[in-house]
Amino acid sequence: GQQVMQIPQYQHVQEGEDFTTYCNSSTTLSNIQWYKQRPGGHPVFLIQLVKSGEVKKQKRLTFQFGEAKKNSSLHITATQTTDVGTYFCAGWASNDYKLSFGAGTTVTVRA
Amino acid sequence: DAGVIQSPRHEVTEMGQEVTLRCKPISGHDYLFWYRQTMMRGLELLIYFNNNVPIDDSGMPEDRFSAKMPNASFSTLKIQPSEPRDSAVYFCASSRPGQGKYEQYFGPGTRLTVT
Repeated sequence: GQQVMQIPQYQHVQEGEDFTTYCNSSTTLSNIQWYKQRPGGHPVFLIQLVKSGEVKKQKRLTFQFGEAKKNSSLHITATQTTDVGTYFCAGWASNDYKLSFGAGTTVTVRA
Repeated sequence: DAGVIQSPRHEVTEMGQEVTLRCKPISGHDYLFWYRQTMMRGLELLIYFNNNVPIDDSGMPEDRFSAKMPNASFSTLKIQPSEPRDSAVYFCASSRPGQGKYEQYFGPGTRLTVT
């Protein structure tokens, strides 16, 4: 079945530094989504990517969908304490709206 | 909009007892998903419904788990009998795919502890 792998599992970042988390799928994806879960909270939708090679930005967050639609990345610049949480990628390969979630990257920030 | 509503927020029960988790999706959403989150297994899809009909229950762990959606505004996930390994956070999410938007909206979750 479809598997979505995400690395790294943990990211410890100095405030002000940049970092990237990566997502890889075993199959070609129709759609990839990114969610953020704050400690003790629930996943919250951040963005959706659909097109091959698509790049979208949300302030300091840059999301990219690979040309082959099998990988994606999230890059955060100038990390702030508000960026703390777990970032999940999730994708589906067919039009059944059934998302497969990656294991997530848990980000901690050193002030 | 109130968002997805789940109850109870916390549930502590003894092994062997029946547990019922409840979810009210966002009005107008026609897809409803039940997930389970644990440290070991991450976020797992258990079952999802479209227009109140179960579409895929392949993620349901075993016969002790059952889910229903009697109408568009209510769904339950039942565990009978419960076991300590069922301890997890259970999330309900709803969605209204269309116009190129497929995001899911998660409820606050129910933290279940089975002793």
